[in-house]
Amino acid sequence: NAGVMQNPRHLVRRRGQEARLRCSPMKGHSHVYWYRQLPEEGLKFMVYLQKENIIDESGMPKERFSAEFPKEGPSILRIQQVVRGDSAAYFCASSPLTGAMNTEAFFGQGTRLTVV
Amino acid sequence: GEDVEQSLFLSVREGDSSVINCTYTDSSSTYLYWYKQEPGAGLQLLTYIFSNMDMKQDQRLTVLLNKKDKHLSLRIADTQTGDSAIYFCAEPYSGGGADGLTFGKGTHLIIQP
Repeated sequence: NAGVMQNPRHLVRRRGQEARLRCSPMKGHSHVYWYRQLPEEGLKFMVYLQKENIIDESGMPKERFSAEFPKEGPSILRIQQVVRGDSAAYFCASSPLTGAMNTEAFFGQGTRLTVV
Repeated sequence: GEDVEQSLFLSVREGDSSVINCTYTDSSSTYLYWYKQEPGAGLQLLTYIFSNMDMKQDQRLTVLLNKKDKHLSLRIADTQTGDSAIYFCAEPYSGGGADGLTFGKGTHLIIQP
């Protein structure tokens, strides 16, 4: 079991471009969480997804950000028309079932997005 | 306040005990957590405590919970160089009913030889 895999590890985008961040959960995990860590900040919850469903996106900016977790393939966090303020580390976590996030979740190594 | 609060840095000598403190926000939190982040790595769950407990010990780690003051601490006994990391305190996310977490800014633990 390779753990939670995020790619790319580092991503550089010019202002106005699109950023696509991928997260493959651990085998057997059907719940995915995305977090953002701004410089000098703690991780902030963005969105919680199950296969083909967004369960809670209350932490995600309403514009330019979207997330999906298709039936097949990784979860994708998409940021359109990136701005410098989007520069951060984006972490994905997965867990096997509802309510288990907090004790059975595993985090990926993160994708560090730099907007230039 | 709305944030989980932690000191940003803690420096200790190798072999001494480290105590990392945290204040959280939601008195109804059922579990409280400590995560460890090593350089370039994702977060790793270190330990957690159920809200009806005052203390939990796990080898070199001791977690103390003061619910009245909403204060959580992590004590690492006999601190080693491998303990150098950022330690995050976390409580359940209170918005939208998700299972996610709200994290503090993290405490950088620095070990002096």
